[in-house]
Amino acid sequence: KQEVTQIPAALSVPEGENLVLNCSFTDSAIYNLQWFRQDPGKGLTSLLLIQSSQREQTSGRLNASLDKSSGRSTLYIAASQPGDSATYLCALHSGSARQLTFGSGTQLTVLP
Amino acid sequence: DTGVSQDPRHKITKRGQNVTFRCDPISEHNRLYWYRQTLGQGPEFLTYFQNEAQLEKSRLLSDRFSAERPKGSFSTLEIQRTEQGDSAMYLCASSSRDRAGNTIYFGEGSWLTVV
Repeated sequence: KQEVTQIPAALSVPEGENLVLNCSFTDSAIYNLQWFRQDPGKGLTSLLLIQSSQREQTSGRLNASLDKSSGRSTLYIAASQPGDSATYLCALHSGSARQLTFGSGTQLTVLP
Repeated sequence: DTGVSQDPRHKITKRGQNVTFRCDPISEHNRLYWYRQTLGQGPEFLTYFQNEAQLEKSRLLSDRFSAERPKGSFSTLEIQRTEQGDSAMYLCASSSRDRAGNTIYFGEGSWLTVV
């Protein structure tokens, strides 16, 4: 059974800092990995999708990497802004399951 | 593209009552998912439809839960005889491809509070 862990559970940084969020998983036989953002009380917004054959994806100030052999993915946020404050979730499609398996998320606060 | 729509956004109900949530997926998406999320946790999978066929159901989906997707368009999730433990946000999502390349788009969720 796939298990997804995100550490730390919460992170607070000053505005302008570059930061890395971590996601680890137990089963390397994945099809893809997706990073989401969730604002309080809201649904999930897709940020980046990395297919299993890819090593990284970039969108604006965001860069996500995938290392299947070590069971890790990172989300790099450059020049953080207060508007980046949210919970960031990683999720994986793996095995024969059609569903995504989620981590518990990292709650990010960017201080002005 | 209006995104995934869910209705109602908030529902407060008394224990034992039935509730129904509706989801309208992105129009060209043939895959539809329901998830449940409690505070501080990531979403947990409930069920999956491909067109009108319900292809997967989680063990979390007890006999009190039923989901439908008539004609492969909108979907409903009904919870019968609600319990306080059903209080959560119910998220609907849709996509147009399977697994690889399968970007999944979520709605804003439906909050359920059982009192």
